[in-house]
Amino acid sequence: EDQVTQSPEALRLQEGESSSLNCSYTVSGLRGLFWYRQDPGKGPEFLFTLYSAGEEKEKERLKATLTKKESFLHITAPKPEDSATYLCAVQTGTYKYIFGTGTRLKVLA
Amino acid sequence: ETGVTQTPRHLVMGMTNKKSLKCEQHLGHNAMYWYKQSAKKPLELMFVYNFKEQTENNSVPSRFSPECPNSSHLFLHLHTLQPEDSALYLCASSQEGEVTEAFFGQGTRLTVV
Repeated sequence: EDQVTQSPEALRLQEGESSSLNCSYTVSGLRGLFWYRQDPGKGPEFLFTLYSAGEEKEKERLKATLTKKESFLHITAPKPEDSATYLCAVQTGTYKYIFGTGTRLKVLA
Repeated sequence: ETGVTQTPRHLVMGMTNKKSLKCEQHLGHNAMYWYKQSAKKPLELMFVYNFKEQTENNSVPSRFSPECPNSSHLFLHLHTLQPEDSALYLCASSQEGEVTEAFFGQGTRLTVV
């Protein structure tokens, strides 16, 4: 069965304390992997698409990487405004996306 | 308007009410989706429409009824809901392709009382 697992479930960081979020997947056919940011009570906001193992994407303090089994979202020197839930999703078919349960990140000033 | 817009943002309804959620996408995409998001659960796909044709219906109870009049608009008609249907309902759209991102609306927070 296709599955996406994110860890940790929740993470508290001090401002400036870098860390990584993990997304591991077991799917029959990976077309692409996506990272989203979701603020409370709002819809997910698209961040990155990763197509193949070895690929990296960066945006401000965020860097996403992909291997054959997992993806990492690295957060460098986070700020309080980076606090959100980060969702990982894999595309396995034309209209098929499998989402993880997310990592709730809290950055303390 | 840009992106994907959903109305209303919040909805409280009784179990005997009938209401509808509306979604409109301004991205020129040809696929639209309804997802349900409950606490501590992954996004749950409810319906997918491609070029106005329903391509997936993930065993959703009949008290949820989708309607897609054209490739830009999607509705979710609700009737005789249960309290466990309370959740954040998200609309998304994507373009057909090998690897294509789904873009989401802001969601409708539904509370069934």
